[in-house]
Amino acid sequence: GAGVSQSPSNKVTEKGKDVELRCDPISGHTALYWYRQSLGQGLEFLIYFQGNSAPDKSGLPSDRFSAERTGGSVSTLTIQRTQQEDSAVYLCASTGLGTDTQYFGPGTRLTVL
Amino acid sequence: GQQLNQSPQSMFIQEGEDVSMNCTSSSIFNTWLWYKQDPGEGPVLLIALYKAGELTSNGRLTAQFGITRKDSFLNISASIPSDVGIYFCAGPRNFGNEKLTFGTGTRLTIIP
Repeated sequence: GAGVSQSPSNKVTEKGKDVELRCDPISGHTALYWYRQSLGQGLEFLIYFQGNSAPDKSGLPSDRFSAERTGGSVSTLTIQRTQQEDSAVYLCASTGLGTDTQYFGPGTRLTVL
Repeated sequence: GQQLNQSPQSMFIQEGEDVSMNCTSSSIFNTWLWYKQDPGEGPVLLIALYKAGELTSNGRLTAQFGITRKDSFLNISASIPSDVGIYFCAGPRNFGNEKLTFGTGTRLTIIP
């Protein structure tokens, strides 16, 4: 596609439920990143994929968070047993080979009640 | 955690005024990026800087990569209503694809 897309745009869930957030990067982009943005805050790095592998998972806040990427394209971020503090906007970005410029999707706003 | 200090945190200006914001780091960055984020949207890249001392313009926007590689500034001239939003500086610590470290953001509001 023309840009990074994410779905759903909004997700409201109950505490304790699992959620899946999806990211479709720009076609041909090899690197994919997940960030989290809490209300009024800057972006916090979660995980980075190069192809289908994740060389850097250092930002995942707990073992309830996991992510995968298949076919070098779509990525899914899964949050198990959601907690209220997981409420945030989850942003995905992708980068083409040989560049540092990350292009962001519109984000998924997650609200845990 | 955050390693980029961005100032000011917020700005209230009148339409037509010039704006200046900056970003400093305790560590060297090899690339500086400036993003703008509108409500409900992801950040959009405004300017990318790749060389120390580099001064780059994009329309009414001008940004510079500090000589020490530890700072950058962004200027907006003759502000207009659509400039409202949050501006973030960001950079990867090393060359190559890597996570970005983001500044804390500068929220720009234009007073009618």
